[in-house]
Amino acid sequence: GESVGLHLPTLSVQEGDNSIINCAYSNSASDYFIWYKQESGKGPQFIIDIRSNMDKRQGQRVTVLLNKTVKHLSLQIAATQPGDSAVYFCAENRHQTGANNLFFGTGTRLTVIP
Amino acid sequence: ETGVTQTPRHLVMGMTNKKSLKCEQHLGHNAMYWYKQSAKKPLELMFVYSLEERVENNSVPSRFSPECPNSSHLFLHLHTLQPEDSALYLCASSQGVRVLGGTDTQYFGPGTRLTVL
Repeated sequence: GESVGLHLPTLSVQEGDNSIINCAYSNSASDYFIWYKQESGKGPQFIIDIRSNMDKRQGQRVTVLLNKTVKHLSLQIAATQPGDSAVYFCAENRHQTGANNLFFGTGTRLTVIP
Repeated sequence: ETGVTQTPRHLVMGMTNKKSLKCEQHLGHNAMYWYKQSAKKPLELMFVYSLEERVENNSVPSRFSPECPNSSHLFLHLHTLQPEDSALYLCASSQGVRVLGGTDTQYFGPGTRLTVL
C-alpha cells in the first residue's frame, strides 16, 4: 500500500553532533516533500522542503536529501542543539496541482543530550 | 508564531455537548485545512477548503462539521463526539494556488487539545 513512514521512532544524539532522520515513501508520483518539526504543545513548524527535480537542498543548519531511486528522504541537522529536541515529520504531496494534500509519517522523536 | 491561531487551546466536553473550534490565519492564504493528530498515529487530513469551498472531505464522520465563512476563518463544529475523538486538532493554511512543478507549503496553528469524556 501507499505509505509515508520513518525508519526509527526515536533518536538520541549528543549536543554538537550531527543528526540524521530518515523517511521512506512509496508513492512514486509524489513530487514535493516537506520536513516539519513539532515541539511539545505546538503545531508542526515548517523546516525545509524539496521538489522531486532536486536531490539536495540546504537551509540553515539543515539539509534534506532525496533519493528517488529508493524513495528515501533524509533530514540532516548539523551541530544539534537542545532546542532541536522535538518530533520531526516528513510529508509528501501527491497532488500536482490545485488542492494541496499532504500525507505525513508517524514522526521521529529527536532527543538532544546535553 | 506562524500566523495561524486557534482557539480554544484546550477543550473538555461531554459526549452530548456541542462545541466549536476556531481557526484564523493572518497570512493572506486562500486554502485552509483541518487535521486530527492522535497519539502514535500520523496526522490525518480531515477537510480542505480552497477559496471558501470544501474541496476535500476524507471520510470524516458527520459529527464533525466544518465551516469556512471567509478565507481567513475556519471552524470545526463538534456534536455528540465519542471518547475516541479525543486528540489534537490542527488547523493549517496555505496559499492554495499550486501549479505543476510548484509548491504550496502549509503553515500550522498550535492546535486545540480536545478531550471527550
